[in-house]
Amino acid sequence: EVLLTQSPGTLSLSPGERATLSCRASQSLGRNYLAWYKQKPGQAPRLLIYGTSSRATGIPDRFSGSGSGTDFTLTISRLEPEDFAVYYCQQYDTPPQTFGQGTEVEMK
Amino acid sequence: EVQLLESGGSLVQPGGSLRLSCAASGFTFRNYVMTWVRQAPGKGLQYVSGISASGDSPHHADSVKGRFTISRDNSKNTLYLQMNSLRVEDTAIYYCAKTGDVGGWYYESWGQGALVTVSS
Repeated sequence: EVLLTQSPGTLSLSPGERATLSCRASQSLGRNYLAWYKQKPGQAPRLLIYGTSSRATGIPDRFSGSGSGTDFTLTISRLEPEDFAVYYCQQYDTPPQTFGQGTEVEMK
Repeated sequence: EVQLLESGGSLVQPGGSLRLSCAASGFTFRNYVMTWVRQAPGKGLQYVSGISASGDSPHHADSVKGRFTISRDNSKNTLYLQMNSLRVEDTAIYYCAKTGDVGGWYYESWGQGALVTVSS
């Protein structure tokens, strides 16, 4: 199965700063079927990005996704207080679908 | 508005059984692949099972194959997960999730989750 490795494990930033989260796949995703989710404590995950770079409905444009092949990035251009959370990537390119282990974005 | 409401979570002994339900509303249920994703306490997300829109093609992760069965009743807009031979490591929040409109199994909407605790 495709292993997804997210880095860093924890990102300590201040509101207004830029966040760059990485997701690396153990093999190439030919269709770039890569999604990103945000999860706050006690809540269900929420879809942010699908198909590497398409924003889900209602997601603000400070969130953007990019990448191809094995290297993918989620960028939050300017952190808002509500953005401090755990972020997961998911590949649905090659069965079985798999998730990364998560990156926590914490307030410095 | 899409709504997914899980029920059936409980404390159960190892080796026991449990059935989760997910009542769906706000979209045409019979048109979408539906899945179960779980999250063990303090851990990440793990795909468990998925089922085609018509219900004739269930799929299970290797970790639950032979023990869990996913099914759906499109007349009742409800998704199910029958869990047998439960193990301590099955302890998790189980989320019902709706796939998206564009190709592939990404999860556009999630329920609030049902807590399953397997312990003696």
